[in-house]
Amino acid sequence: KNEVEQSPQNLTAQEGEFITINCSYSVGISALHWLQQHPGGGIVSLFMLSSGKKKHGRLIATINIQEKHSSLHITASHPRDSAVYICAATQGAQKLVFGQGTRLTINP
Amino acid sequence: DADVTQTPRNRITKTGKRIMLECSQTKGHDRMYWYRQDPGLGLQLIYYSFDVKDINKGEISDGYSVSRQAQAKFSLSLESAIPNQTALYFCATSGRPGQGPPGLETVRQFFGPGTRLTVL
Repeated sequence: KNEVEQSPQNLTAQEGEFITINCSYSVGISALHWLQQHPGGGIVSLFMLSSGKKKHGRLIATINIQEKHSSLHITASHPRDSAVYICAATQGAQKLVFGQGTRLTINP
Repeated sequence: DADVTQTPRNRITKTGKRIMLECSQTKGHDRMYWYRQDPGLGLQLIYYSFDVKDINKGEISDGYSVSRQAQAKFSLSLESAIPNQTALYFCATSGRPGQGPPGLETVRQFFGPGTRLTVL
């Protein structure tokens, strides 16, 4: 069993829908990261959080330390949000353990 | 200009060849990482370096070696490439706790654009 599990692995939705991607981890962490990988391959860090909730534009990330669970939400989804979203956990000395990614497709 | 650059961006090579992938950064970060991404799998850590004199193996270091030539440069070598090393390779950098802004942001990792390597 992977230390970081994401669900769903693939998600297709219509433009405007509210999107939720889930991440569960089984190890102690110092931080939880959400990354976005564009179709061209580049990876961008969206959020890094250790508690509570963070918001940036239409993106919201939450984490529940007790339940070892994090969610990434996208409000008013748009085709340009189509990408692979990756959850990663920082263990110990900054090493990241990655989930397998969620491929999101937003249709117009 | 990009803060983390990788060269080459694409490379096709043959089994048995020696390959070097290079990573440079202008962020002034001490810490650098090499990851490998295979289709359908999460990124896996190959090697990491917390400063010029510090090199550490990651989860999948067999068949790879690295060199930290300077704070800004971290190279990954495949001494004798094999087909199952075909993958997308990413370099990343981060500061160390206490370097830069306070709090979690110090340890955020910044990724290069990736190198697509094909071993025939």
